[in-house]
Amino acid sequence: NAGVTQTPKFRILKIGQSMTLQCTQDMNHNYMYWYRQDPGMGLKLIYYSVGAGITDKGEVPNGYNVSRSTTEDFPLRLELAAPSQTSVYFCASSYSEGTDTQYFGPGTRLTVL
Amino acid sequence: GENVEQHPSTLSVQEGDSAVIKCTYSDSASNYFPWYKQELGKGPQLIIDIRSNVGEKKDQRIAVTLNKTAKHFSLHITETQPEDSAVYFCAGRRRNFNKFYFGSGTKLNVKP
Repeated sequence: NAGVTQTPKFRILKIGQSMTLQCTQDMNHNYMYWYRQDPGMGLKLIYYSVGAGITDKGEVPNGYNVSRSTTEDFPLRLELAAPSQTSVYFCASSYSEGTDTQYFGPGTRLTVL
Repeated sequence: GENVEQHPSTLSVQEGDSAVIKCTYSDSASNYFPWYKQELGKGPQLIIDIRSNVGEKKDQRIAVTLNKTAKHFSLHITETQPEDSAVYFCAGRRRNFNKFYFGSGTKLNVKP
């Protein structure tokens, strides 16, 4: 199993540009999450999904959108990039609420200039 | 929502010494507390967790203790080794909720 994979690893955007961060897991996990990690800070939940077709907001959803059309994929969309979105983004997955272990991807480092 | 505070933000120990990292939480309904280790350039990895129905859990050199009354839990690493150097995060999750709340992290440096 590859686990949780994320692409790209690095990206530089100009203010106002859009992009999609990709996340895929091959563990047949129902739950998937998007976090952002700012320097010296913990992870903040952006969005999460409990299954295909179901998504919900986390702590910091503004400026982002998600979709979950398949069990495997959970892309994160930035529509109008702002400098405040400069961060490292992590995708994670877990099998179900009863199995709490979250498996994290390697992260995407995004810089908005 | 839940608020998880973590201390210290940095910790430097000599190889072979013990390291202790502490977290407090605000939501008394939280019932699951994982600890993650994050190495440079990688995603966090679960190293140990504890549920609210136990007070202590051990896994080789790593242990976690939970005090529900005081609403705090701690990570203990004994006989530290240079490869323990990393950033450690605590987190809390409320029963029947899908959201984890993370502490701000502790950068542990183990000096050879």
